[in-house]
Amino acid sequence: GENVEQHPSTLSVQEGDSAVIKCTYSDSASNYFPWYKQELGKRPQLIIDIRSNVGEKKDQRIAVTLNKTAKHFSLHITETQPEDSAVYFCAASRAFGTGTRLTIIP
Amino acid sequence: KAGVTQTPRYLIKTRGQQVTLSCSPISGHRSVSWYQQTPGQGLQFLFEYFSETQRNKGNFPGRFSGRQFSNSRSEMNVSTLELGDSALYLCASSLIILRSSYNEQFFGPGTRLTVL
Repeated sequence: GENVEQHPSTLSVQEGDSAVIKCTYSDSASNYFPWYKQELGKRPQLIIDIRSNVGEKKDQRIAVTLNKTAKHFSLHITETQPEDSAVYFCAASRAFGTGTRLTIIP
Repeated sequence: KAGVTQTPRYLIKTRGQQVTLSCSPISGHRSVSWYQQTPGQGLQFLFEYFSETQRNKGNFPGRFSGRQFSNSRSEMNVSTLELGDSALYLCASSLIILRSSYNEQFFGPGTRLTVL
């Protein structure tokens, strides 16, 4: 089955700086790569997704890049704000990474 | 539209017992997936049902099983509970048109299972 690795497991960033989270996947047949944000005590919510026929997608301060050849994809958050503090999960189809706890330092 | 609902929200069981969890998807969603969430392991995929058949399965023992009904509601069953089964069990529904496609998942609030 699909296996997803996510790094780093924790990330602290100064407010206003950028944050990057990276994931790799194993199954070259995977074609859907969502990113979910989970705030403390809440359910995961989709923040952005990308399909395998696209290399990059952007939505305001959030962007995702996909390299199908290398089987890795990344989440980029620019101009970070305190409300960006949460756990972020990448996924390939239905397999999730282990999460990155992002802390924004005011 | 109402969101994904799960019942019960909290459960306490003892080792060896069995448990059934229920998930009602968003109206019109035919796909329901189940996940186990623990602090150290993140979100681990259990299985996905689409139109009453299992579409995908994760790497969990046979003690974990599920089913989906004609109204898309899904149940998950865990038999012979072990201490390590204590976790938050999340279900998620998705609007899928083609059996082979994937779309955004909407998660329920979860069922917190504690095994003593």
